[in-house]
Amino acid sequence: DTGVSQDPRHKITKRGQNVTFRCDPISEHNRLYWYRQTLGQGPEFLTYFQNEAQLEKSRLLSDRFSAERPKGSFSTLEIQRTEQGDSAMYLCASSSGGRQAQYFGPGTRLLVL
Amino acid sequence: AQTVTQSQPEMSVQEAETVTLSCTYDTSESNYYLFWYKQPPSRQMILVIRQEAYKQQNATENRFSVNFQKAAKSFSLKISDSQLGDTAMYFCAFMKQKGNSGNTPLVFGKGTRLSVIA
Repeated sequence: DTGVSQDPRHKITKRGQNVTFRCDPISEHNRLYWYRQTLGQGPEFLTYFQNEAQLEKSRLLSDRFSAERPKGSFSTLEIQRTEQGDSAMYLCASSSGGRQAQYFGPGTRLLVL
Repeated sequence: AQTVTQSQPEMSVQEAETVTLSCTYDTSESNYYLFWYKQPPSRQMILVIRQEAYKQQNATENRFSVNFQKAAKSFSLKISDSQLGDTAMYFCAFMKQKGNSGNTPLVFGKGTRLSVIA
């Protein structure tokens, strides 16, 4: 059990560029969650998957955001045409479902200039 | 919709002392779970303790314990014998139970920044 990993850990981009983040969950965890955390706030839910199926998307997830989890393993979160308001920490978490807690990765910190 | 409120933005405690962090929540759900997570400076979110709403007994994990008052919708965290390594942001989180599958997205409070002073 190596824990949840995220890549990259930091990303600086210019407004209007596209960025993609990757999350590798704990092996055999079938649920994977994306959250966004801005400075001084708690994480806010974006979307989650059970295996490869995307079960729910938050209203925070505008049409510039897309997430995938092909084959039910790792997941990617893409932001198109980034805006300065997208600057935040993007957190990934996984769980085995049922009554189990969610375990978080270290996050990807995005800065849009 | 569920909401989680942490009314103490910042707290401090002397090393070896006890501190209690407050959390209240609002929900119409009857089956749910509550969590406390810890986020040390520049480090990842770590699960501290969890509580199932159907259990009356308060959860404990070593120096960490909760006071769960279901009727009052209150879920406070007590840290005993505080250590310098306890310095972190602490987030209270709510998760509703969805059928038998259980796991749904977490709803977090805004957090309490705890500083342990030597």
